[in-house]
Amino acid sequence: ETGVTQTPRHLVMGMTNKKSLKCEQHLGHNAMYWYKQSAKKPLELMFVYSLEERVENNSVPSRFSPECPNSSHLFLHLHTLQPEDSALYLCASSQVFAGGFEQYFGPGTRLTVT
Amino acid sequence: DQQVKQNSPSLSVQEGRISILNCDYTNSMFDYFLWYKKYPAEGPTFLISISSIKDKNEDGRFTVFLNKSAKHLSLHIVPSQPGDSAVYFCAASGSYGGATNKLIFGTGTLLAVQP
Repeated sequence: ETGVTQTPRHLVMGMTNKKSLKCEQHLGHNAMYWYKQSAKKPLELMFVYSLEERVENNSVPSRFSPECPNSSHLFLHLHTLQPEDSALYLCASSQVFAGGFEQYFGPGTRLTVT
Repeated sequence: DQQVKQNSPSLSVQEGRISILNCDYTNSMFDYFLWYKKYPAEGPTFLISISSIKDKNEDGRFTVFLNKSAKHLSLHIVPSQPGDSAVYFCAASGSYGGATNKLIFGTGTLLAVQP
């Protein structure tokens, strides 16, 4: 148990669907992250929220929309996805301004777009 | 262009022997390095880290070595155990002013420890 939970663990959706991924961290951290992991590729950073403000958006298509209502919760809203968006989506949290760079990850959501 | 590279996609080691996982980086601004372990169907788990002011950090069976001039780091696991079988990711970060702990990851190395 890493203190970061993600739901759902698996999701199959059609290209016209709208769905949301949820992440919750119980570590008291002040920054949260969304990553995408595709086969044979490094983890790709998608979004960073620090102190509840979005501080980074790595050229992610607008069909992915993040939301961070408070420091413990992070959502990724999905709409009109493409089959190439099928991947493992990982949420992470960390404590910024604390001197270290460690991020703590959730188990991920395995997304399949049909 | 990949700034953090793990050139060995897989490694097989006998139980009890040493496992050595390698990582190279290109950005000289990186000053903090981490190793993560990932089992199937789980998220990456933080294992060990090293700051650029050090060249070695040890935690139990795990030791990370940093060679800044070569832009190379390695993770040594001694002795290797079957439970160490997992994908190992190298990651690097720079001093981004503290607003984010942005990490750049390698592609991972699958370690298989044979009983």
